[in-house]
Amino acid sequence: DIQMTQSPSTLSASVGDRVTITCRASQSISSWLAWYQQEPGKAPKLLIYKASDLESGVPSRFSGSGSGTEFTLTISSLQPDDFATYYCQQYNSYPWTFGQGTKVEIK
Amino acid sequence: QVQLQESGPGLVKPSETLSLTCSVSGVSISNTHYYWAWIRQPPGKGLEWIGDVYYTGSTFYNPSLKSRVTISVDTSKNCFSLRLSSVAATDTTIYYCARRLSHRGTFDYWGQGTLVAVSS
Repeated sequence: DIQMTQSPSTLSASVGDRVTITCRASQSISSWLAWYQQEPGKAPKLLIYKASDLESGVPSRFSGSGSGTEFTLTISSLQPDDFATYYCQQYNSYPWTFGQGTKVEIK
Repeated sequence: QVQLQESGPGLVKPSETLSLTCSVSGVSISNTHYYWAWIRQPPGKGLEWIGDVYYTGSTFYNPSLKSRVTISVDTSKNCFSLRLSSVAATDTTIYYCARRLSHRGTFDYWGQGTLVAVSS
């Protein structure tokens, strides 16, 4: 299985801050990486696919980059709705696997 | 619009079989563009993909659960189901059903999730 490791596990930030979350794969996954946002008590929501493509309806303050084994999710200016947990997911090969999550908290 | 809704018992006894159904509306489960998936998440923890099913009945399972999992599809009822046998306390978790695009492995629609507890 491909292991996905996110850092940091928790991130404290303020509204308006630029935030970056990192996801590393245990082997190359090309650009087959997605990012999800999960608010408490809700299902995850797809934000980005193929490492950098924004899902329809997702605000442009979200962006993704990377390829191979290292990827980043950036929120350019944190908004109140963005305080949530973020997960990366590889879909290079079965079994699909997720990172352990990064919780973005209010500072 | 597309909606997925999980249903099934919220409590299962150890060693028994967990059974859940995902009812799909707003899209045909026979649409060739999609697979249908089960994903689980222990409260407060990360996500684990359980398996996918195509409308033809073709399945892919997580090797870590493969010996205990069966996912099936009922095109006449536009739903798909999960059976997990020989459950233990570690199977206490939130179970989500989700739609996956057949040309990529991302999940674009999810059910709200259902918590299943394993306890005697």
